[in-house]
Amino acid sequence: NAGVMQNPRHLVRRRGQEARLRCSPVKGHSHVYWYRQLPEEGLKFMVYLQKENIIDESGMPKERFSAEFPKEGPSILRIQQVVRGDSAAYFCASSLSSLNEKLFFGSGTQLSVL
Amino acid sequence: AQSVTQLDSQVPVFEEAPVELRCNYSSSVSVYLFWYVQYPNQGLQLLLKYLSGSTLVKSINGFEAEFNKSQTSFHLRKPSVHISDTAEYFCAVSVSSGSARQLTFGSGTQLTVLP
Repeated sequence: NAGVMQNPRHLVRRRGQEARLRCSPVKGHSHVYWYRQLPEEGLKFMVYLQKENIIDESGMPKERFSAEFPKEGPSILRIQQVVRGDSAAYFCASSLSSLNEKLFFGSGTQLSVL
Repeated sequence: AQSVTQLDSQVPVFEEAPVELRCNYSSSVSVYLFWYVQYPNQGLQLLLKYLSGSTLVKSINGFEAEFNKSQTSFHLRKPSVHISDTAEYFCAVSVSSGSARQLTFGSGTQLTVLP
């Protein structure tokens, strides 16, 4: 399967713990986007990264959330000290360029905070 | 800022029946419009898009959508659905065809095709 791989598929955390969500883009893709889907809402843009650089994090909460896309390995979305409001589906997408119609999405990570 | 409304969260329909999934948007500037589909346990895939030109756009698997500027709508239709069309469908808008950062998604419509 050469698509975008996200893991874990489901992640359960207690309040105050850390959540690490991983995204392996399509081979050869150097653009990664993270989106969050809160219950009953649409996907919302969080952050856009290229290899080793954060290009746009305008959709990311200012505290507790961070993202990276290292030279080697998957992109990581890290949420520190999770709260119940962080419960959501987190989707990763990758592209060869930054054009909308060439986005490939992963199947998402469902984060549940108890 | 733009927004997208998908009024129907669940649409059950019998096999071979027609279906329409509704999408309305609001924006103060011209937009580009997209429909994405998410099959069970898979990522979102682009189904069809309107960037410019003909307001009626079609996908390879029989879906079509029409951009209606006066009604600010981009409804998705198929004249005869199959079991394999069961999936979640997301409408999205962007003010730029060149930036995925500006994609705004609706909350999705779960289409369930019944035998």
